[in-house]
Amino acid sequence: AQKITQTQPGMFVQEKEAVTLDCTYDTSDQSYGLFWYKQPSSGEMIFLIYQGSYDEQNATEGRYSLNFQKARKSANLVISASQLGDSAMYFCAMRELYNFNKFYFGSGTKLNVKP
Amino acid sequence: DSGVTQTPKHLITATGQRVTLRCSPRSGDLSVYWYQQSLDQGLQFLIQYYNGEERAKGNILERFSAQQFPDLHSELNLSSLELGDSALYFCASSVEWSGGSTGELFFGEGSRLTVL
Repeated sequence: AQKITQTQPGMFVQEKEAVTLDCTYDTSDQSYGLFWYKQPSSGEMIFLIYQGSYDEQNATEGRYSLNFQKARKSANLVISASQLGDSAMYFCAMRELYNFNKFYFGSGTKLNVKP
Repeated sequence: DSGVTQTPKHLITATGQRVTLRCSPRSGDLSVYWYQQSLDQGLQFLIQYYNGEERAKGNILERFSAQQFPDLHSELNLSSLELGDSALYFCASSVEWSGGSTGELFFGEGSRLTVL
């Protein structure tokens, strides 16, 4: 079974609008972390936001927020007020504390922001 | 700058050849992860080391091998190269995560391998 599932291969959003990138995960570990990374066309991997499995509040970092629904095992990324520079590939990832600190990535969502 | 250094940044070689990719983790990070990213694909986990010991293996081909040295730098060896091995190879490092901190992976800029 896939540990991380991103069902949106590509998405378009109008500049200044909000967009939600979907992510579901599968783990039997009680302690895990959820992460989002951005990969622009230049190729580098940029860490955006983190949510711990015991965190009760959704994580926020500037225009990024993580909509964490533990029972549904989802960790959607919300980008508010999209900018042209947000056009990139976005990867959801999970780290399992009691499984050798393994770090799994989803297949990614390519976001295009339209002017 | 993530603090993770990968060399070389670009490498062009021929089928059947062997290459070595090198990674220096962030100062203090004991864990090193290697990933392969083919064109427009996701990150495929290859192998993970912790303090010199192999900790986990992903879908790493038998033609590929890696190790982490006592100074914590790591090398990924790719041999009998095929056209399909052309990809961006990432090294990432982190602290041993105990759940109390974010525990994100810090990525190098990657080594882009082209096999002709």
